[in-house]
Amino acid sequence: DTGVSQDPRHKITKRGQNVTFRCDPISEHNRLYWYRQTLGQGPEFLTYFQNEAQLEKSRLLSDRFSAERPKGSFSTLEIQRTEQGDSAMYLCASSLVYGYTFGSGTRLTVV
Amino acid sequence: DAKTTQPTSMDCAEGRAANLPCNHSTISGNEYVYWYRQIHSQGPQYIIHGLKNNETNEMASLIITEDRKSSTLILPHATLRDTAVYYCIVRVANNNNDMRFGAGTRLTVKP
Repeated sequence: DTGVSQDPRHKITKRGQNVTFRCDPISEHNRLYWYRQTLGQGPEFLTYFQNEAQLEKSRLLSDRFSAERPKGSFSTLEIQRTEQGDSAMYLCASSLVYGYTFGSGTRLTVV
Repeated sequence: DAKTTQPTSMDCAEGRAANLPCNHSTISGNEYVYWYRQIHSQGPQYIIHGLKNNETNEMASLIITEDRKSSTLILPHATLRDTAVYYCIVRVANNNNDMRFGAGTRLTVKP
């Protein structure tokens, strides 16, 4: 069990560029979640997958955001035309039944 | 619409017990109390959860009042590595997607 892996750990991008993050959950976990966290705040829910199906999306997930989980394994979160307000830590978590296991996150800085 | 209320910050002396309170006066009968913590630059880490009985594991103890309207997380012998933000969350244990974080309590363990 290698835990939840996120790649990259850090990303600096220019405003207007597209970025993509990857999350590899714990292999037997069928549920996968994306959260966003800004400085001084708790994580905010973005979206949730059960297997390959995206079952819920937060209002925080604007049209510029898209997430996929092909084949119910790893997941990607893409942000198009990044804005400075997208600067945050993007956290991925997976679960089977009860508790969530989080990755270490991807810190995005939009300059 | 926060389901829990926690103090913004607390200090604790190294080696002493850290008692972190949480109010959840509107908790429903089928909702559990979960505690997570987040050490700087890492994802949240599961600590413990309970329904109505007190719980203990290798990390902490959870004391839930009889009316279930509040709880206390106890770290029996705090160390400097316990310095973190501690989140109290109420959720239905096997619900697919209801892990919602507030701002938490920033615990600082001082030497």
